Amino acid sequence: DQQVKQNSPSLSVQEGRISILNCDYTNSMFDYFLWYKKYPAEGPTFLISISSIKDKNEDGRFTVFLNKSAKHLSLHIVPSQPGDSAVYFCAASAGGSQGNLIFGKGTKLSVKP
Amino acid sequence: ETGVTQTPRHLVMGMTNKKSLKCEQHLGHNAMYWYKQSAKKPLELMFVYSLEERVENNSVPSRFSPECPNSSHLFLHLHTLQPEDSALYLCASSHFRGRSGANVLTFGAGSRLTVL
Repeated sequence: DQQVKQNSPSLSVQEGRISILNCDYTNSMFDYFLWYKKYPAEGPTFLISISSIKDKNEDGRFTVFLNKSAKHLSLHIVPSQPGDSAVYFCAASAGGSQGNLIFGKGTKLSVKP
Repeated sequence: ETGVTQTPRHLVMGMTNKKSLKCEQHLGHNAMYWYKQSAKKPLELMFVYSLEERVENNSVPSRFSPECPNSSHLFLHLHTLQPEDSALYLCASSHFRGRSGANVLTFGAGSRLTVL
C-alpha cells in the first residue's frame, strides 16, 4: 500500500499562473516532507521541505502547505514559468527510520508559454 | 567533480551477464542510497548505507548485491537479472543528522538498465 500518493499524473498550466501540486500521505509518523523536481535524463533535485510542526514554508516562487489533520500537502508555484516543466515528486520521512524517504509516483507539470 | 556521479549512464545486459553500477559522491556525506525507478511506479528504496554499514535492505532479490567500500563510493553488482529488472537506478547521498532536520538526498543522474 502506498504511503505517499500523488493522484494527478499530470498538470498543465499557463505561464504566469499558479501551479498547485498535491500530495496525500497515510503514515501519521512522518515528520518531514520534501518536494523534488526531475527533468528528463537527470536525477531528482531537491526543491523545498517542511517539518510536520509547521503548516507553511516559502522559498521564492515555491510554497509548501501542510494540513496534518487531512494528511495532505501541496506545492504552489507562483508565477509558473516554462522552465518549471518537469516531474515533481513528493517525499516523506519518519524519525527513527534513518531518514529514509518514501516517494510518490510524481506529477508531470507542463507550463505553456 | 562535484555532486553525485553515476556510471555507466546506460547499460544493456543479457540475463546471464554480471555487471556493476558505480556511484561516487564528492559532498562529504555520511549516507548513500540506491533507489529503483520503474515506469509508473514510485521511486523504490533498495539499500541504505550509513557510515559504510548497510542499515537497510528492502527485501531486494539477491541478484542485486550492494557494496560500499568507503563513504564516497557505492556499487550495485548485478547478476542473472530478469527483464522486469529493467529500470532507472538512482544513487543518492545525504548528510544524515538524525531527527534534527529533513534528510535531504542529493541524487545522481541515474543508470538506465535494460535487461534482454
